[in-house]
Amino acid sequence: GAGVSQTPSNKVTEKGKYVELRCDPISGHTALYWYRQSLGQGPEFLIYFQGTGAADDSGLPNDRFFAVRPEGSVSTLKIQRTERGDSAVYLCASSLVAGAGYEQYFGPGTRLTVT
Amino acid sequence: AQSVTQPDIHITVSEGASLELRCNYSYGATPYLFWYVQSPGQGLQLLLKYFSGDTLVQGIKGFEAEFKRSQSSFNLRKPSVHWSDAAEYFCAVWRSSNTGKLIFGQGTTLQVKP
Repeated sequence: GAGVSQTPSNKVTEKGKYVELRCDPISGHTALYWYRQSLGQGPEFLIYFQGTGAADDSGLPNDRFFAVRPEGSVSTLKIQRTERGDSAVYLCASSLVAGAGYEQYFGPGTRLTVT
Repeated sequence: AQSVTQPDIHITVSEGASLELRCNYSYGATPYLFWYVQSPGQGLQLLLKYFSGDTLVQGIKGFEAEFKRSQSSFNLRKPSVHWSDAAEYFCAVWRSSNTGKLIFGQGTTLQVKP
């Protein structure tokens, strides 16, 4: 079956621009997670959704970052006024429901480069 | 604060040799523990997980890991490494009180010599 997909796979933008990163979870998965992976580091939690609502957004670094999941399926991570420090791979994962007993399936990521 | 430490940033082993990747966590209670593998251009794939019970857990691709509470460790092992095992490996922890958040170590890059 289809896994988690993320678009675009690569995004290059100029400092100060706005970007949107999209995640399509596995069909039927109600929980969706966003992580950020900087070079040489492990993934860092940003936010997760259970259904349409953000259940935990404690990892969002500041108010330039925002994520939505309006219909409980596809999610978009939005970054305003991008900075060079935002350059990283943004990973999306989904699971049947939120909880440690449910495996998170990861997408291939979107590599964001801010010039 | 809860954390996961992978002391080895980079490890090189010969094909056919045994492998052990180290992972230490800091958390008062027994957390849920995971090992993921990330190959170039691929998403993270779950190798194995420990929740409770038998402290030696078996995973996919011939990997196993042992939970040692006294050492706060969850080391990953494989008796005989294959060239295709070259990848980056991440240990992660999930507290029972956090239903969504995985906390990852910084990763260990495995290089396999022919």
